[in-house]
Amino acid sequence: EDQVTQSPEALRLQEGESSSLNCSYTVSGLRGLFWYRQDPGKGPEFLFTLYSAGEEKEKERLKATLTKKESFLHITAPKPEDSATYLCAVQPYRGGYNKLIFGAGTRLAVHP
Amino acid sequence: DAGVTQSPTHLIKTRGQQVTLRCSPKSGHDTVSWYQQALGQGPQFIFQYYEEEERQRGNFPDRFSGHQFPNYSSELNVNALLLGDSALYLCASSFYDGTARGGYTFGSGTRLTVV
Repeated sequence: EDQVTQSPEALRLQEGESSSLNCSYTVSGLRGLFWYRQDPGKGPEFLFTLYSAGEEKEKERLKATLTKKESFLHITAPKPEDSATYLCAVQPYRGGYNKLIFGAGTRLAVHP
Repeated sequence: DAGVTQSPTHLIKTRGQQVTLRCSPKSGHDTVSWYQQALGQGPQFIFQYYEEEERQRGNFPDRFSGHQFPNYSSELNVNALLLGDSALYLCASSFYDGTARGGYTFGSGTRLTVV
């Protein structure tokens, strides 16, 4: 069964304290792995798509990496505005369909 | 360029009632997917519509049904509401280029509360 597990469930950082979020997955054929950011009461906002092991993508203070079993979202020198829930999702091969399977997310709080 | 638009933003219904949620996809997108997100959980796939047909469905009962219109907008209908249907309902749109690669653009969701 396709499954996504994110850890930790919650993370509290001081401003400037770098850390990493983990996304472990099992899927019968990976088409892509996605990272989204979600603010309270809002819909997920797209951050990155990774398609193959070894791939890395960066955006401002965020960097996403992918292996065959997991992905990491590295946050360098975070600021309070980075506080949000970060969601990881996998897209399995299912012919022409692009359903996403999400993890439960990591709630990040960055304090000044 | 307008993103994904959902209405209403909030809704309170009584157990046993029926509800209809609406979604307008991002300009240029032709595929609409619906997700249910319970508090503290990740979104769960309900179904996807393309060319006015349901193409893929998640593990949701038949009480959940949908429709896509010729202008690509979509509705989600839920019958015989249960307390457990209380959640944030997210609409997401994408463009099908034949590869099914890539993700979605999400709307801000409809918060449904069943009392």
